[in-house]
Amino acid sequence: GDSVTQMEGPVTLSEEAFLTINCTYTATGYPSLFWYVQYPGEGLQLLLKATKADDKGSNKGFEATYRKETTSFHLEKGSVQVSDSAVYFCALRDSGNTPLVFGKGTRLSVIA
Amino acid sequence: GAVVSQHPSWVICKSGTSVKIECRSLDFQATTMFWYRQFPKQSLMLMATSNEGSKATYEQGVEKDKFLINHASLTLSTLTVTSAHPEDSSFYICSAEGSGKNIQYFGAGTRLSVL
Repeated sequence: GDSVTQMEGPVTLSEEAFLTINCTYTATGYPSLFWYVQYPGEGLQLLLKATKADDKGSNKGFEATYRKETTSFHLEKGSVQVSDSAVYFCALRDSGNTPLVFGKGTRLSVIA
Repeated sequence: GAVVSQHPSWVICKSGTSVKIECRSLDFQATTMFWYRQFPKQSLMLMATSNEGSKATYEQGVEKDKFLINHASLTLSTLTVTSAHPEDSSFYICSAEGSGKNIQYFGAGTRLSVL
């Protein structure tokens, strides 16, 4: 079945450092890809998404590009802030109204 | 973006009692709702998928008689944990999606602690 693999955390960075969180997927079809963020004590919030190959999702300085050839959707941000400290989940789904398949999450801690 | 309200955010109950968690879509019609369970420092595990007006589809290993799901309207789904035990303590999260959309909106989650 479909699956998502993302880099293990935790990741600790200094403020203004460059962030990459790797995410690769396995799917039978052409899934949509998502990054969700979970701040401490809160539910998940959609960060960005891409629905087809070569699409780039972006939001709040974060970016991820749907790479079909490498089955990847790595999350990047050029300069992280303390407020970016959270758990980041990569996810996919085959089509609308179907469940999301999540990676295990990567905890990011940004220190001043 | 769309808003999904989940209530309560935190509940403590005695072993053997039942707890109901509500999930409401506030500004859209949610044809499909999903219930997830999240253990500490783990990813979300899908428990069940519910479509308005029909029975929920449970994932393998999830007891449907223990985790009762009702999706009686396009804006409300409930999860009832029946005869809760300490091992049911967890973070439960719902999500909702409108017809034809490709985005799930998540509630803030309910932390259940069973004593």
